[in-house]
Amino acid sequence: GDSVTQMEGPVTLSEEAFLTINCTYTATGYPSLFWYVQYPGEGLQLLLKATKADDKGSNKGFEATYRKETTSFHLEKGSVQVSDSAVYFCALLMDSNYQLIWGAGTKLIIKP
Amino acid sequence: DTAVSQTPKYLVTQMGNDKSIKCEQNLGHDTMYWYKQDSKKFLKIMFSYNNKELIINETVPNRFSPKSPDKAHLNLHINSLELGDSAVYFCASTPMAGGRDTQYFGPGTRLTVL
Repeated sequence: GDSVTQMEGPVTLSEEAFLTINCTYTATGYPSLFWYVQYPGEGLQLLLKATKADDKGSNKGFEATYRKETTSFHLEKGSVQVSDSAVYFCALLMDSNYQLIWGAGTKLIIKP
Repeated sequence: DTAVSQTPKYLVTQMGNDKSIKCEQNLGHDTMYWYKQDSKKFLKIMFSYNNKELIINETVPNRFSPKSPDKAHLNLHINSLELGDSAVYFCASTPMAGGRDTQYFGPGTRLTVL
């Protein structure tokens, strides 16, 4: 079945470091791909998304490119801040399905 | 203007009790969800309703019963609470089922069963 695999956390970086959180997926068709972020004590909110191959989603300095050839949607940011500390979830959605398929989440800790 | 709201935010109760969590969305969406997030942050979908009709019912103990009085509300009732029910429960909504739309999440209800 469809699935999403994320790199295990926690990922600990210093402020202004470059961030990559890996996400790969398995799907029988062509899903939409999402990154959601959960700040401490809050619900999840959409960070960015891409609906077809080669699309790049971007928001708040974060970017992810939908790579069909490698079935990946890695999250990147050039210079992280302490306020980026959160749990990041990669997810996919098929047109014919009613539910998001979630990755396990990656906790990101940014130290000043 | 809260888009998806849940009450209560925190719920502490004894084993064996029955409790309810309420969810309301003011986005005009047709589809609503309940998720359970465990202590390791793993998200598991429990139920989904589309316009008051159940469309997703994952393998969840039948002590959990969702109720949707109208498409803006999806409540979760839990009977005979157990220690393992302790978790954060999130409500979410999306414009329609089967599309590629964003899901909008509530702030969560942290349930602690003693």
